[in-house]
Parts: sequence; C-alpha cells; structure tokens
Amino acid sequence: DAGITQSPRYKITETGRQVTLMCHQTWSHSYMFWYRQDLGHGLRLIYYSAAADITDKGEVPDGYVVSRSKTENFPLTLESATRSQTSVYFCATKDRWMNTEAFFGQGTRLTVV
Amino acid sequence: AQRVTQPEKLLSVFKGAPVELKCNYSYSGSPELFWYVQYSRQRLQLLLRHISRESIKGFTADLNKGETSFHLKKPFAQEEDSAMYYCALSGQGTSGSRLTFGEGTQLTVNP
Repeated sequence: DAGITQSPRYKITETGRQVTLMCHQTWSHSYMFWYRQDLGHGLRLIYYSAAADITDKGEVPDGYVVSRSKTENFPLTLESATRSQTSVYFCATKDRWMNTEAFFGQGTRLTVV
Repeated sequence: AQRVTQPEKLLSVFKGAPVELKCNYSYSGSPELFWYVQYSRQRLQLLLRHISRESIKGFTADLNKGETSFHLKKPFAQEEDSAMYYCALSGQGTSGSRLTFGEGTQLTVNP
C-alpha cells in the first residue's frame, strides 16, 4: 500500500538500551519529520530532513540520532534510552512544494522502563 | 525562530454553540499556516490550510498578519467535532521547510 508506515507500533525497552524507530514512505516526498507527542506539550519536532543525506535538528534533538541514506526511509535512534523519552513518536512526510499537506504515520508508542 | 502558541489546552462547548480555537504564531517572513486534527485513536490529518480559504466540515480560519493569528472557528459545533486540534506553521529552517506545531487544544462538544 502507498503511504507512510511506522514500526514498531508499540515498544517497551529498558533504560540505557539503544532503540530504533522506523519510518518508511512510498511517495518520494522530499521532507520527513520526527515528532514526539506528550501531554501538555503537543507535538514537538525532534529532527527533520529536506532530502536524502540532509537532516537538521528540531526543538528537542538531544538523545536522538537520525539518518536518511534513502529518500523513503527516516529512522530515529535513541542512543541510550531514558525514562523521559517515554512518549508517542510520529513520523510525517511533506512534498517540497509550498502549502502542501503533511501526512502522518500511525505513531509508535515507546515506553522506557 | 518560528513558534506557534495555542493558549487553550482544553475547550468544552455544548452542541450547537459556536466554537473558536485560538492560534498565534511568531515568524519573520510569510508563513504557511495549517490546522490539523487528531480524532481519538487516529493519525493526524489536515483540516485546513490558510492559502485555500476553504471551509472544511464547517470550520474556517482566517490569517490575520497584523495580529499574527490564525484562529479556527465553527458557528455550530457538533459532537463529532470532539478531537485534538493542532495549529501548525511551515517556515524555512536551515535545511529547508520546518513544520512546527502548537501545544494543541482538546475540544469536547457536549450533547
């Protein structure tokens, strides 16, 4: 199916472990984004990417790493998970033209114990 | 720096009443502004974009550059409008288009 998919949907991990959240799109949209959604904070931008091999920090990048070797994939890695990274993570894509809609994945609910 | 502020985290109205969800932004340039909605257990989806000047599900939003606002309005709220609403701004970051969201407003429409 065309679209944007995130995996896994749910993940429980231990403090200190490395975790990678996957995001895959089939549209070849230029822009991809990672957000975390927390009560009281809304959606906060972690990292974004304008194209393959071009990434930039958002509002809350500390503790996260991204890469984008291919246009369709934008994995997010928590290098050493902490409890404060327990959250729902959303990936989104957007075409490069102005005023275009962003499309969101279904989210990954991550719990760090 | 670009910033979006939604001053009300929670908003509760009765069915048939008018509703206004406030959004203010900060951006030095011409912003692209959007409203996204997230219904329970569903992914975020676009509701409105300022450039279109359209009405979707009875909602409208007007960009006021003088007041740097993009408030969302509906004259008669329906129960199915209950959802989380996010205002978003797309501006130029150092690496291209950066899409920033506000904190969101949880709208509850009571019967």
